[in-house]
Amino acid sequence: EPEVTQTPSHQVTQMGQEVILRCVPISNHLYFYWYRQILGQKVEFLVSFYNNEISEKSEIFDDQFSVERPDGSNFTLKIRSTKLEDSAMYFCASSLNGLAGAISYNEQFFGPGTRLTVL
Amino acid sequence: AQSVSQHNHHVILSEAASLELGCNYSYGGTVNLFWYVQYPGQHLQLLLKYFSGDPLVKGIKGFEAEFIKSKFSFNLRKPSVQWSDTAEYFCAVNDQEVSGGTSYGKLTFGQGTILTVHP
Repeated sequence: EPEVTQTPSHQVTQMGQEVILRCVPISNHLYFYWYRQILGQKVEFLVSFYNNEISEKSEIFDDQFSVERPDGSNFTLKIRSTKLEDSAMYFCASSLNGLAGAISYNEQFFGPGTRLTVL
Repeated sequence: AQSVSQHNHHVILSEAASLELGCNYSYGGTVNLFWYVQYPGQHLQLLLKYFSGDPLVKGIKGFEAEFIKSKFSFNLRKPSVQWSDTAEYFCAVNDQEVSGGTSYGKLTFGQGTILTVHP
């Protein structure tokens, strides 16, 4: 069964450093998402990506964050200058059709997550 | 903004007990509703979903959920739990309209309920 994969599983970095979290969505999926979960808190939406551009983003997704699909398989989340409060589990997800309200709207498949620790 | 609340943080049951996990959401419009499960050490997996039609939906592993629009609820049930159901359960909602545009599938999660089943 196809799966969403994420690397690395755990990333430790110093405050102020740049990090890139990588995701390989399911191959025929078209909609891509990043979520995060700070320890003890809810899973929060960060950004959705479709047709090589951001389709929706949350207030959390400020100028320090960016996403990219550099090739046909990877989907990356970059944090330019990490802060202590960026420490969280970051989940990537993908779906075949993400257009809510459409008959063919599909559920999102989640990756195992990357635990980011900022020291 | 959409919000989702799960009533119980931690539920402890013995095998064969019945389970009901509460989930309420705030959005008054058309919604898609989901329950995801995260087994220890694994990624989020879809248990069941509601898009439209019969408000009683059946998912994998004997789980079901009932959408009650008047109560803004989507409670998860299982008549007889097993030790292997020990996991964290997340209710999630996707509202179909955002101001000025179309929702691209952003999920809003509840805070999660940890279920521990004793053999």
